[in-house]
This record gives sequence, structure tokens and C-alpha cells, in this order.
Amino acid sequence: EPEVTQTPSHQVTQMGQEVILRCVPISNHLYFYWYRQILGQKVEFLVSFYNNEISEKSEIFDDQFSVERPDGSNFTLKIRSTKLEDSAMYFCASGGQASNYGYTFGSGTRLTVV
Amino acid sequence: SQKIEQNSEALNIQEGKTATLTCNYTNYSPAYLQWYRQDPGRGPVFLLLIRENEKEKRKERLKVTFDTTLKQSLFHITASQPADSATYLCALGGGSYIPTFGRGTSLIVHP
Repeated sequence: EPEVTQTPSHQVTQMGQEVILRCVPISNHLYFYWYRQILGQKVEFLVSFYNNEISEKSEIFDDQFSVERPDGSNFTLKIRSTKLEDSAMYFCASGGQASNYGYTFGSGTRLTVV
Repeated sequence: SQKIEQNSEALNIQEGKTATLTCNYTNYSPAYLQWYRQDPGRGPVFLLLIRENEKEKRKERLKVTFDTTLKQSLFHITASQPADSATYLCALGGGSYIPTFGRGTSLIVHP
């Protein structure tokens, strides 16, 4: 069964450093998403991406965050200057139109900012 | 503001019984509702989607209902097994709404 692949599985970074989280979505999906989950809390929407541009973003997705689809397969989330409160699991998901299909999530990247 | 509520207390049931989980929402008119399963340290896994014009959806031992008048969805697992133990998340979306997840309810099925 097709999978969404995320790398790395775990990233430790110093406060103020830039991190790039990588995702390979399912190839024939059109919509791509980033979510995060702080330990013990709910899954929170960050951004959705369709047709090579951001289609929606949440209040969490401020100027410190950016997304790119640099080639036909990879989908990246960059955090420019990490803060302690950015420590969380970051999930990439892809899917068809959400009103018809559920999302397929990756296994996540656990980001720890020290 | 929009709110999605799922029972924060874990649901403990005996193997073989039916588990029923609840998702309530306020200040929302979602076009669809999704249910996911999440195991510790893993990403959510999609289970079922139900649209606003559908009352009920089934898949194997799973059943979802959607009552837009009560603003509630019920998620049932019949003949539950210890392997069904996980956290179950509902997610609402549609129209201009950013797809939003509830906090989830932990289900523990005892052998």
C-alpha cells in the first residue's frame, strides 16, 4: 500500500537554528498538508498545499515557517529560527480532495528544540 | 469560536463488547467528518469519512453516524479486540473551514 515517507524520524536542534523536515507524499495525490502535535495535545493544522502553492494556512504558520515542493516528489517544511515551543511531532499528509477522501499521514518527525 | 469535543477520559471496555466514541462540535457546519486511529508515536490512520448528507457509514466492524441537528458523530467498533486499543480522532472540514482535529479519545479493550 502506498505510504507517505518522512525524514528524519527524529531531529534535535538548538534554539535559533533552521530545520528542514522532508516528506515524500503519495505520487498521485494532489493535496499536501503539514500538521503538528505537541506531546499530549491534539493534532494541529499548519498548512495545505495544492497546485504548487499554499491553499490554506493556520495562525501557527507564521513567517518562521515555509513550505516548498522543490521537485515532483519532495515536500518540505522549513522552520527558520526554531524556538523551544516548536518541539513537537510534525506530520506530513497527502490526499485527494478532503471531502471525498481521508488523508494519508506519514509516521512523523519528532523535533526537539534545546 | 469553533470547538470539537471528544471525551478526554479513556474508554475501558471488555473484549467482544461494542465501543462507542463521541465527537461533538459547536459553531461549525462541516461538510464532512473523518475518523482516524492514532497509536502512540505514530501518525493518524484514516478509517472512515461521512458527509453531511449521510446519516451512517459502515466498514467491516466500524460504524459512524453523523447527526447535523445534534452536531454529533458517534463511532462504533463492534466485537472489539485488544488490538483496537488506540486513540481515536475525529476531524471536521469543508468549505472555508481548515480541516480540524479533536483531541481524541483513548480506547482500551481488556482481554
